[in-house]
Amino acid sequence: AQSVSQHNHHVILSEAASLELGCNYSYGGTVNLFWYVQYPGQHLQLLLKYFSGDPLVKGIKGFEAEFIKSKFSFNLRKPSVQWSDTAEYFCAVNAGGGSNYKLTFGKGTLLTVNP
Amino acid sequence: ETGVTQTPRHLVMGMTNKKSLKCEQHLGHNAMYWYKQSAKKPLELMFVYNFKEQTENNSVPSRFSPECPNSSHLFLHLHTLQPEDSALYLCASSQVMGVAKNIQYFGAGTRLSVL
Repeated sequence: AQSVSQHNHHVILSEAASLELGCNYSYGGTVNLFWYVQYPGQHLQLLLKYFSGDPLVKGIKGFEAEFIKSKFSFNLRKPSVQWSDTAEYFCAVNAGGGSNYKLTFGKGTLLTVNP
Repeated sequence: ETGVTQTPRHLVMGMTNKKSLKCEQHLGHNAMYWYKQSAKKPLELMFVYNFKEQTENNSVPSRFSPECPNSSHLFLHLHTLQPEDSALYLCASSQVMGVAKNIQYFGAGTRLSVL
């Protein structure tokens, strides 16, 4: 079975600091990878996704993530965070092919950005 | 606005009550999902429907009964719940299952409290 590990439960940064949130998954086959964000009181929104091709993917609001197949990782980065980035971030993975509807989520990382 | 609307947003019910959660998607999708989001746990996939047919029941107790009358609507009927069923219940939709680039879009959820 697939599993997703997010290393940090709660990250606290000051504005303009750089961000990197770790995500590792366990699955040996082809995968699709996602980062979702949940702002306080709002729905889960897709931040970025990787299906194939360039392992460095860019998403909304200046976020990017790099797929490193050899490390089974898909870390999320942002060079300079803002107070409005305060939210919970979820990494998710599904297997390619016929089972690609089964999203497996990590436990989430709560990001608090202090002004 | 996500295109996936869930009602009610909050629900408090006793253990002997019967209630229903509703989800409606306006995205023209054909697959719909129920997830459970509990504190400090990853999102758990509960049910999947594809073209109104249930394709996944992730060992969910029978006190949760889903219904999908058409591709745009999904219900979760609740009866004789337990306090540990208190959680945020999320609905999601996607184009279809088995598509190579399957992206799920989420509603804002129903916060359920079982007393």
